[in-house]
Amino acid sequence: NAGVTQTPKFQVLKTGQSMTLQCAQDMNHNSMYWYRQDPGMGLRLIYYSASEGTTDKGEVPNGYNVSRLNKREFSLRLESAAPSQTSVYFCASTPLAINEQFFGPGTRLTVL
Amino acid sequence: AQSVAQPEDQVNVAEGNPLTVKCTYSVSGNPYLFWYVQYPNRGLQFLLKYITGDNLVKGSYGFEAEFNKSQTSFHLKKPSALVSDSALYFCAVRDYPGTYKYIFGTGTRLKVLA
Repeated sequence: NAGVTQTPKFQVLKTGQSMTLQCAQDMNHNSMYWYRQDPGMGLRLIYYSASEGTTDKGEVPNGYNVSRLNKREFSLRLESAAPSQTSVYFCASTPLAINEQFFGPGTRLTVL
Repeated sequence: AQSVAQPEDQVNVAEGNPLTVKCTYSVSGNPYLFWYVQYPNRGLQFLLKYITGDNLVKGSYGFEAEFNKSQTSFHLKKPSALVSDSALYFCAVRDYPGTYKYIFGTGTRLKVLA
């Protein structure tokens, strides 16, 4: 099992550019999540998908969109990147309703 | 609304001494509590969780945590710290039967000094 994988690992964008962060899990988990990690702020939830076919906003959804493509994949899209979106992005998945999360290795995004 | 507080940005402890990393929480329903560790340039790794049952929970790498309902706390502990325990530690909470959302604290950097 690869667990939770994320691509790319690093990305530099210019303000206004768009990109999609990819996340996939091979553990047959139901729920998937996108977080951003900023110094002193901990992890903040951007969007989550409780199950295939559903998505919901988290704490900081503005400027982002998501797609739960199938049970395995959950992508995060930045339509028009802004410097405030410079961060490390983590994808996570959870097998059941009340359980620990499994995290990917992260994507370090810089927006100039 | 759910919330988690980690009151210390950094904790320093000498190798071999006991360590405690503090966490307090606020939820409307039953608390489900988690601790994670993050090493540099890595994703978070699960350490332990409290769902129900014994207030003292044992986890990976010799860590344990004590759930205290009256003080709404879930402090992480280890009897004897190792230099390799130096990392960033996050407490997280989810209320049930609330949402599928997990709320994370801001993290505590643990530095174990040789």
